[in-house]
Amino acid sequence: GAGVSQSPSNKVTEKGKDVELRCDPISGHTALYWYRQSLGQGLEFLIYFQGNSAPDKSGLPSDRFSAERTGGSVSTLTIQRTQQEDSAVYLCASSLGTGKLFFGSGTQLSVL
Amino acid sequence: AQRVTQPEKLLSVFKGAPVELKCNYSYSGSPELFWYVQYSRQRLQLLLRHISRESIKGFTADLNKGETSFHLKKPFAQEEDSAMYYCALRTGTASKLTFGTGTRLQVTL
Repeated sequence: GAGVSQSPSNKVTEKGKDVELRCDPISGHTALYWYRQSLGQGLEFLIYFQGNSAPDKSGLPSDRFSAERTGGSVSTLTIQRTQQEDSAVYLCASSLGTGKLFFGSGTQLSVL
Repeated sequence: AQRVTQPEKLLSVFKGAPVELKCNYSYSGSPELFWYVQYSRQRLQLLLRHISRESIKGFTADLNKGETSFHLKKPFAQEEDSAMYYCALRTGTASKLTFGTGTRLQVTL
């Protein structure tokens, strides 16, 4: 499809385990974002990749969170030693560098 | 740091009534403001942006720099407007998009 694809759509893990969330942006989009969506918190910015520039990591909540974007395309968000408070929907979005973002359907992460 | 405030978590209105979803921002420069919407079981999507000065699905929003606001308005609410609405701010062409906490609009008969 032509949209932003995220996998898995659902992930259940045990506290302390590591998880990897994947995002396939729209082809040709130079910008890629990760957000976390939880009740009462709205859309919390995590990290932003723009072209070849250094990523804006200012939203990552702790050093357990990291993300990379390989070849300017696919991105992986990794959460190490998951905690229950990490449970949320993780959204990926891509754009042509404008404020018009195209969102994926998200990964629902549940940490037991 | 830039911030977006949406004071209402839930706004409930009757069908046909006017709607105003509030959004205030904190940024001293020239911002770009957006409204995004998420309908039930659908992806988050752009509704409108201030630079376009457009009306989408009957919604409009005017940037008021003096009051640092970008409220979303519609004169007559429809049931299909029920959704989660997010206001968002961008402070430069290469900067991130910062979202507010969102307002759930519920339109009832």
